[in-house]
Amino acid sequence: AQKITQTQPGMFVQEKEAVTLDCTYDTSDQSYGLFWYKQPSSGEMIFLIYQGSYDEQNATEGRYSLNFQKARKSANLVISASQLGDSAMYFCAMREMTGANNLFFGTGTRLTVIP
Amino acid sequence: DAGITQSPRHKVTETGTPVTLRCHQTENHRYMYWYRQDPGHGLRLIHYSYGVKDTDKGEVSDGYSVSRSKTEDFLLTLESATSSQTSVYFCAISEVYREWTEAFFGQGTRLTVV
Repeated sequence: AQKITQTQPGMFVQEKEAVTLDCTYDTSDQSYGLFWYKQPSSGEMIFLIYQGSYDEQNATEGRYSLNFQKARKSANLVISASQLGDSAMYFCAMREMTGANNLFFGTGTRLTVIP
Repeated sequence: DAGITQSPRHKVTETGTPVTLRCHQTENHRYMYWYRQDPGHGLRLIHYSYGVKDTDKGEVSDGYSVSRSKTEDFLLTLESATSSQTSVYFCAISEVYREWTEAFFGQGTRLTVV
């Protein structure tokens, strides 16, 4: 079974609007971490935001927030006030307490911001 | 930005030839990783290292070997390259080995095997 599922291959959003990128995960660990990375067209992987499984509040980093719903095993990324520079691939990832050596990635969502 | 340098950044090689990719870090992080990125698969772990001369396999390790003789350097070797190893390879580092630790990535190496 896939540990990380991103069901949206591509998304479009109007500049200055908010957008939600979906991520669901599968783990039997009680302790795990969820991460979002951005990959612009230049190719590098940029760490955006982290959510711990025991964190009671949703993580926020500037215009990025993580909508964490533990019971539903979802960790959606919300980007507010989209900018043209947000156009990129976005990857959801998870690291489990058991086997923390690996960061499991989803297949990514390509976000395009429309002027 | 985390100090991670991958070399080369681009390489074209012929089937059956050996290839070595290098990852160099200036952060003195203990853990280093090699991932490959393929369309429809995201990033998948090839090998990782938890210290000098300490390495282990990831989920797609067949056809690859690694070595780490110094904290700062982690080498990935394709002993005999195949077309299925055409991919973008990323090195990553992390300071500790826990579920809350993010990994920082190098800029990637695009490898084409013809």
